[in-house]
Amino acid sequence: QKEVEQNSGPLSVPEGAIASLNCTYSDRGSQSFFWYRQYSGKSPELIMFIYSNGDKEDGRFTAQLNKASQYVSLLIRDSQPSDSATYLCAVDNNAGNMLTFGGGTRLMVKP
Amino acid sequence: DAGITQSPRHKVTETGTPVTLRCHQTENHRYMYWYRQDPGHGLRLIHYSYGVKDTDKGEVSDGYSVSRSKTEDFLLTLESATSSQTSVYFCAIRAQRGYGYTFGSGTRLTVV
Repeated sequence: QKEVEQNSGPLSVPEGAIASLNCTYSDRGSQSFFWYRQYSGKSPELIMFIYSNGDKEDGRFTAQLNKASQYVSLLIRDSQPSDSATYLCAVDNNAGNMLTFGGGTRLMVKP
Repeated sequence: DAGITQSPRHKVTETGTPVTLRCHQTENHRYMYWYRQDPGHGLRLIHYSYGVKDTDKGEVSDGYSVSRSKTEDFLLTLESATSSQTSVYFCAIRAQRGYGYTFGSGTRLTVV
């Protein structure tokens, strides 16, 4: 059973702080990793993807990948109340034809 | 969502009836997926398609069937709806292997 694990939260951070979201996965053959944001009652929206070990930055978001430790993280700098949502980690299988999703971490940013 | 639409958006049906959900895309993407999302279980793959008439099962395929007769349409059928199939169903499309998905707006299905 290929698994993707996330802490369900809620993770509560004050406005302006850094939010750190973590994800571990079990399939060592995975090559592609994604972070989705899902507001309540809405569909998931892709916010970051990463393929190589290390960091990838896009605006206030940084994705970090460590394949040796099978660990992916998402950092959100200068967190805003509008960042309050559930963040889903998704990992491709080693054939690259389907994503397995973690259960999501609920983030709450308090003004 | 741009390029992908699901219908209906909401549906209430009775136990034992067949139900078909439709996913339509205008992006000409090869890959299409059906997921269900339930509290405590997250998003789980039901079926997916990698081309016209090419489909395969996901982890929760029992009680569901799919068809893809055209690139743009991917249909999910609940052959005989049960209360355990009450869920939010999401369709997703993907241009190529290794790329991210784009999700439709979802269908909220209630089986009474």
